[in-house]
Amino acid sequence: GAVVSQHPSWVICKSGTSVKIECRSLDFQATTMFWYRQFPKQSLMLMATSNEGSKATYEQGVEKDKFLINHASLTLSTLTVTSAHPEDSSFYICSARGGAGGPGEQYFGPGTRLTVT
Amino acid sequence: AQSVSQHNHHVILSEAASLELGCNYSYGGTVNLFWYVQYPGQHLQLLLKYFSGDPLVKGIKGFEAEFIKSKFSFNLRKPSVQWSDTAEYFCAVKAPNDKIIFGKGTRLHILP
Repeated sequence: GAVVSQHPSWVICKSGTSVKIECRSLDFQATTMFWYRQFPKQSLMLMATSNEGSKATYEQGVEKDKFLINHASLTLSTLTVTSAHPEDSSFYICSARGGAGGPGEQYFGPGTRLTVT
Repeated sequence: AQSVSQHNHHVILSEAASLELGCNYSYGGTVNLFWYVQYPGQHLQLLLKYFSGDPLVKGIKGFEAEFIKSKFSFNLRKPSVQWSDTAEYFCAVKAPNDKIIFGKGTRLHILP
């Protein structure tokens, strides 16, 4: 139980285009999902917290107009990177809070590698 | 603000050696602590967690960690490592608003 999936797992896009990444909790309802960014050989940096049915809360320094987050249902959150640039190339990971893991536990998706050319 | 510090950035050990990875956190209140592992090419997996109770926590694959409140530490240990333990290890603390703050990670390389 407590499986989180992401789609796509890998995407290449041209500079200036937008890319949507999906995060799904497959066997539990996730009232809260989190989006992280991981640069090569670095730790995960929290970008935003997404609560179902409400606006996402962004961390300091993260452009909310560039990284659009939608959490329309208890099993799906999406991250759209708008007008992507090469510096947005990174590994994007989502996590979902819920399931039977107890308070505070989050379950992580496998990540989406974005390459902007 | 909460923060997590991992002292070792890169550790190289031979098989069967004992392992201890350091982790210190900064937060004065009740903490939830985690160790995650990321094997090459794979996603993050939870190794173990501490919420309350026995400060010695046992996780998967023979790992354990000890929560020492007075030292603000949550070091990860394994008595005898295997080549398959080669991975990156992240210590993390849950903040009161449910955000998880990660340390910078320790890259562990086990020599066969």
